[in-house]
Amino acid sequence: QKEVEQDPGPLSVPEGAIVSLNCTYSNSAFQYFMWYRQYSRKGPELLMYTYSSGNKEDGRFTAQVDKSSKYISLFIRDSQPSDSATYLCAMSALDTGRRALTFGSGTRLQVQP
Amino acid sequence: SAVISQKPSRDICQRGTSLTIQCQVDSQVTMMFWYRQQPGQSLTLIATANQGSEATYESGFVIDKFPISRPNLTFSTLTVSNMSPEDSSIYLCSVDPGQAQGTQYFGPGTRLTVL
Repeated sequence: QKEVEQDPGPLSVPEGAIVSLNCTYSNSAFQYFMWYRQYSRKGPELLMYTYSSGNKEDGRFTAQVDKSSKYISLFIRDSQPSDSATYLCAMSALDTGRRALTFGSGTRLQVQP
Repeated sequence: SAVISQKPSRDICQRGTSLTIQCQVDSQVTMMFWYRQQPGQSLTLIATANQGSEATYESGFVIDKFPISRPNLTFSTLTVSNMSPEDSSIYLCSVDPGQAQGTQYFGPGTRLTVL
């Protein structure tokens, strides 16, 4: 079993839709949770990070963490064609002394104009 | 954040040859990482390259196959040695500027095809 599971998609939605992207994880030591966006033929770009449980909002993006369920989500409101990309969740367990990130496999999102 | 560049951006190589990928950062950072991303898959950490110490390799990756140099705080190289078609992948470097949350910033990647 992978430490981080993420549905690969593809997920296709019409412009303006609300998008929900999710990851589950098994390692309870993970404390920081990040979302990266990766456009085709580009490196991953950090979108947001959250610490422990709770919500964080940044413009059209909301990140949500439920540590009790080991489940994280990224919501995109009013989705735009420019949001079409692969979204990767990533996690770290800094208290273990390890700063390396563990990534999900990524969900490919296509927003149709 | 940090601005990271990689060279080459892509290459097509013959089996049995080696390729050295360069990673340049616009600021001094202690921690750098090298990842591999195979088509349609997630990022797999190859090694951690901290300036002033030997690179630390993840399970399944060895120094003879992926030698790494880290001569200063803004530069690193990864060599893919004795390549086979299975090494065809995107190779990414990243930096950890030491923020509390452990976020990393990535270069644009090097797309390698081995024939």
